[in-house]
Amino acid sequence: GAGVSQSPRYKVAKRGQDVALRCDPISGHVSLFWYQQALGQGPEFLTYFQNEAQLDKSGLPSDRFFAERPEGSVSTLKIQRTQQEDSAVYLCASSNDPFGSYEQYFGPGTRLTVT
Amino acid sequence: AQSVTQLGSHVSVSEGALVLLRCNYSSSVPPYLFWYVQYPNQGLQLLLKYTSAATLVKGINGFEAEFKKSETSFHLTKPSAHMSDAAEYFCAVWNSNSGYALNFGKGTSLLVTP
Repeated sequence: GAGVSQSPRYKVAKRGQDVALRCDPISGHVSLFWYQQALGQGPEFLTYFQNEAQLDKSGLPSDRFFAERPEGSVSTLKIQRTQQEDSAVYLCASSNDPFGSYEQYFGPGTRLTVT
Repeated sequence: AQSVTQLGSHVSVSEGALVLLRCNYSSSVPPYLFWYVQYPNQGLQLLLKYTSAATLVKGINGFEAEFKKSETSFHLTKPSAHMSDAAEYFCAVWNSNSGYALNFGKGTSLLVTP
């Protein structure tokens, strides 16, 4: 079956622009995660949804970052007024268990470059 | 709190040689432990996971890992490296006290030479 998909795969933004990154999780998965992966680093947690509820947003680095999952399926990560330090790969993962503790399935990521 | 330390940001082995990638964790409660592999420009793929069952865990592509509580380790091994094993490997930990996120190590880049 289809895995987690993300779009766009690559995004170049000028500093100060707003961007929106989309994640289509595996159908039926209740849990959805966003991670940020800086160059040469492991992924770092940003936020977590269980269905449409955002249960944890403790990893969002600033109030410029906003995520939503209004119908409990597709999710969008929005970054306002992008800064150079936002350049990273943004990974989405979904899981069919409520806490994502058994296995998270990752998408290919969106590579964001802020110039 | 929980954390993961991967010793060695780069490991190089010859094709056919043993692969050993090290991971040590800290966790205040029994953890779940994972190894993920990431090929260039791709997402992470689960290799194997430990979720409090058997301490020796077998995964895909001939990899295995052993959970050693006394050493707080979860090292990844493969008896014989293939060229196709060249990738970035991440160890991750989850426990029930630390919210929902996987906590990843910084990764180890595996190079396989002919």
